[in-house]
Amino acid sequence: GESVGLHLPTLSVQEGDNSIINCAYSNSASDYFIWYKQESGKGPQFIIDIRSNMDKRQGQRVTVLLNKTVKHLSLQIAATQPGDSAVYFCAESGAQGAQKLVFGQGTRLTINP
Amino acid sequence: DGGITQSPKYLFRKEGQNVTLSCEQNLNHDAMYWYRQDPGQGLRLIYYSQIVNDFQKGDIAEGYSVSREKKESFPLTVTSAQKNPTAFYLCASGKDRGFYGYTFGSGTRLTVV
Repeated sequence: GESVGLHLPTLSVQEGDNSIINCAYSNSASDYFIWYKQESGKGPQFIIDIRSNMDKRQGQRVTVLLNKTVKHLSLQIAATQPGDSAVYFCAESGAQGAQKLVFGQGTRLTINP
Repeated sequence: DGGITQSPKYLFRKEGQNVTLSCEQNLNHDAMYWYRQDPGQGLRLIYYSQIVNDFQKGDIAEGYSVSREKKESFPLTVTSAQKNPTAFYLCASGKDRGFYGYTFGSGTRLTVV
């Protein structure tokens, strides 16, 4: 859904464990979804994307799952490392013709040693 | 290398002053966007532009102004009418009207002194 200035939810995991970050999106007509990673004091960086005709896509240590039935997107990070500590945002494209992405609230991931 | 550049990285403003934040991209993207991020919070859209000489208000446009005279450039002016301008400002650009995601700049941190 829309980012509305609320404080970020947080997730803490032990180094080496797997992390799962969840995101509920708002528009059933959205065709494209993206996960971004934002480290402190930096701009968001692209991690992985997925189109609506897929339900899973894998990258290096990351997997995105899409459940269109319940409008849910998740990001799985395998074997988390200290460098994975960041804020993670999901974004949806909206329907064809939409002029801007709709960003989720964001989740702060903290990796404990 | 193509990219999107924001300057300056840090900016200090006295109360009552207007300041302009620079955003330049050489990615040949048509669409450009400005977001505001407050500490521990998500992204809020200020203004966006899909084409030269045209731009639209986002969710929090009051107290801000923009111009889009060149495809490569989308400067943001924070006017004295913006009562709480201290924040982290992010510029982004995207091809295909941003439908397939954005590339973000590294941000400008604005502080009122």
